Amino acid sequence: EVQLVESGGGLVKPGGSLRLSCAASGFTFSSYSMNWVRQAPGKGLEWVSSISSSSSYIYYADSVKGRFTISRDNAKNSLYLQMNSLRAEDTAVYYCAGQGGSHAFDIWGQGTMVTVSS
Amino acid sequence: EIVLTQSPDFQSVTPKEKVTITCRASQSIGSSLHWYQQKPDQSPKLLIKYASQSISGVPSRFSGSGSGTDFTLTINSLEAEDAAAYYCHQSSSLPHSFGPGTKVDIK
Repeated sequence: EVQLVESGGGLVKPGGSLRLSCAASGFTFSSYSMNWVRQAPGKGLEWVSSISSSSSYIYYADSVKGRFTISRDNAKNSLYLQMNSLRAEDTAVYYCAGQGGSHAFDIWGQGTMVTVSS
Repeated sequence: EIVLTQSPDFQSVTPKEKVTITCRASQSIGSSLHWYQQKPDQSPKLLIKYASQSISGVPSRFSGSGSGTDFTLTINSLEAEDAAAYYCHQSSSLPHSFGPGTKVDIK
């Protein structure tokens, strides 16, 4: 079964840090570009970051640039998002999403909730 | 940055009715437009890629059309299970962007 499972979310104070993980199974993870997409409570989808299959290309939304770092370990079939200097506006469900042969996000995880609050 | 707008924001529809959702891009994106369905408390699911390409396992009542700046998602003969939010997404240029969503409710 094709699956992405996120973990690492939780409650953190403003200015704090959190590391999200996304474990992949059921497909050739090393062939996929991967992304983080977030959704604030009751709001729409917002792309956060992308990383190419071999980590050669990395991109960030302006809203997280300089604070978040995306990485992957193909040997462990895992994707990561290191989030530093967290703000209240980073509160959201964070999804990992994979792009296979196309540029559409064809595989999604179930999401992990990040709450930034004092 | 490419901005996507969707209309309508919300639509209440009776079963078997036809639903049309539009997505407009702030500049031409060719066919690099994808559609997702998100049911309550679920993650998004890819419905249509590259404006009109069907996805394996997605019911044939879902179809897409358009190119350039104007795109349409059509749901023929709506079923109760189609109650969801629908989002368009452009991958023509970074940053990726999503439309604000269209919520479809069943009367």
